[in-house]
Amino acid sequence: KNQVEQSPQSLIILEGKNCTLQCNYTVSPFSNLRWYKQDTGRGPVSLTIMTFSENTKSNGRYTATLDADTKQSSLHITASQLSDSASYICVVSAYGTASKLTFGTGTRLQVTL
Amino acid sequence: NAGVTQTPKFQVLKTGQSMTLQCAQDMNHEYMSWYRQDPGMGLRLIHYSVGAGITDQGEVPNGYNVSRSTTEDFPLRLLSAAPSQTSVYFCASSYSRDSTYEQYFGPGTRLTVT
Repeated sequence: KNQVEQSPQSLIILEGKNCTLQCNYTVSPFSNLRWYKQDTGRGPVSLTIMTFSENTKSNGRYTATLDADTKQSSLHITASQLSDSASYICVVSAYGTASKLTFGTGTRLQVTL
Repeated sequence: NAGVTQTPKFQVLKTGQSMTLQCAQDMNHEYMSWYRQDPGMGLRLIHYSVGAGITDQGEVPNGYNVSRSTTEDFPLRLLSAAPSQTSVYFCASSYSRDSTYEQYFGPGTRLTVT
């Protein structure tokens, strides 16, 4: 069964600090992995998408890494801001199942003063 | 462009009532889908459409109907609401069903069934 697990479930950090969120998956055969940001009461918004051949991708202060051998991904947030407070969702797609994405349950990040 | 719009934002239904959640996109996307998001669970696919007139079931289709008469609109119908359908519903659209394309999500409809 395809699964995506994220850790930690929730995280509180001080503004200006860095943090790293983890994603482990068992989706096969792997096609691509996305990280989404979901603000409270809003729909998810894509941050990055990585295919098998990509092992790092940045979007401003967000940097995602992918290790397809160990089936792990991480999302690193640099110099956090209050506006980074949101849920971050890891989503993995398998070849041949383009209509179905496997979503993780998300990491809830709170950035405080 | 408004992107993906959903109405209503909030809805309370009694068990057994029916209703339609509206979804529209103005990006001329062929692929549209409906998800539900429940606490402690990842988004789950309800139904999807690869173009006008073509729909198919996702992971959790029971109790829901869809139709796609135009490229822009993809309404989700609850035939006889049940408390288990209390959830937040998201509509999404994409240029293609190919998963490498960006998916754009609407703002969601929060539904409570009492």
